[in-house]
Amino acid sequence: AQSVAQPEDQVNVAEGNPLTVKCTYSVSGNPYLFWYVQYPNRGLQFLLKYITGDNLVKGSYGFEAEFNKSQTSFHLKKPSALVSDSALYFCAVRDSMDMGRRALTFGSGTRLQVQP
Amino acid sequence: EAGVTQSPTHLIKTRGQQVTLRCSPISGHTSVYWYQQALGLGLQFLLWYDEGEERNRGNFPPRFSGRQFPNYSSELNVNALELEDSALYLCASSFNSAGQASSGNTIYFGEGSWLTVV
Repeated sequence: AQSVAQPEDQVNVAEGNPLTVKCTYSVSGNPYLFWYVQYPNRGLQFLLKYITGDNLVKGSYGFEAEFNKSQTSFHLKKPSALVSDSALYFCAVRDSMDMGRRALTFGSGTRLQVQP
Repeated sequence: EAGVTQSPTHLIKTRGQQVTLRCSPISGHTSVYWYQQALGLGLQFLLWYDEGEERNRGNFPPRFSGRQFPNYSSELNVNALELEDSALYLCASSFNSAGQASSGNTIYFGEGSWLTVV
C-alpha cells in the first residue's frame, strides 16, 4: 500500500525567505517520490523526483527536496522564495513493492503564498 | 516536442448526459493515466492504461470508463453525468511504468479538460 500526506493546507512566506513544503509518505517497500507544481487553471508540472542515491535532489526553478528515510519524509525546499513561486504543490509516491501495479498516489496539495 | 494534449479544454454538459474526453500522450510514451481534480480537492486516480490494457482503476463507479488506442492515445468516457462530476480531468503519460524496474518513470501532465455539469 502507498499513501502520502501533506500536513499543511497553506504555507505563507515572505519573498526572499527560505521555504519548506512538507510531505510524509507510507510504503511497504522503497519509495519513489515526486513533487509537482500547479499554477492556477493549469495542469501539473514536474519539479523533481527521488528514486535512489543522494538524499538531496535538485529540480526545476531552484527547488530541491530532501529524502529522509527514518522520518519517512520528502520535504520540498527553496533557499529564497519568489512571488512567482506562489502555486499549489503536490507530493506523490509510488511503492516499489507494488511492482508497478499502482499508479502514483498524490497528497492533498499545499498552497504556497509568497508575499512581496 | 509536444507535451500531453487534451481536448476539449472546456465543456458544459447537462446532468444525465454523457461525455468523452480525449488525450494524446507524449511521443514514445505508452502509459496513460487519468486523474480527477474536483474543486478544492486533490487528485483522485481514475484509470491507468498501458499498451492498450487497463492496468489499474481507482475507486470510481463503472460509469467512468475509458480505453487506449493502438497509437496510445486515450479516451475517458463518463456516462449519466452527475453534478459532482464537475471537475478538472487531467491526463498524464509516461514511458511504460508497469513493473518494478520502471516504477520510477516520471509522468507528465496535460493542461486538463474542465467539465461543468449543470
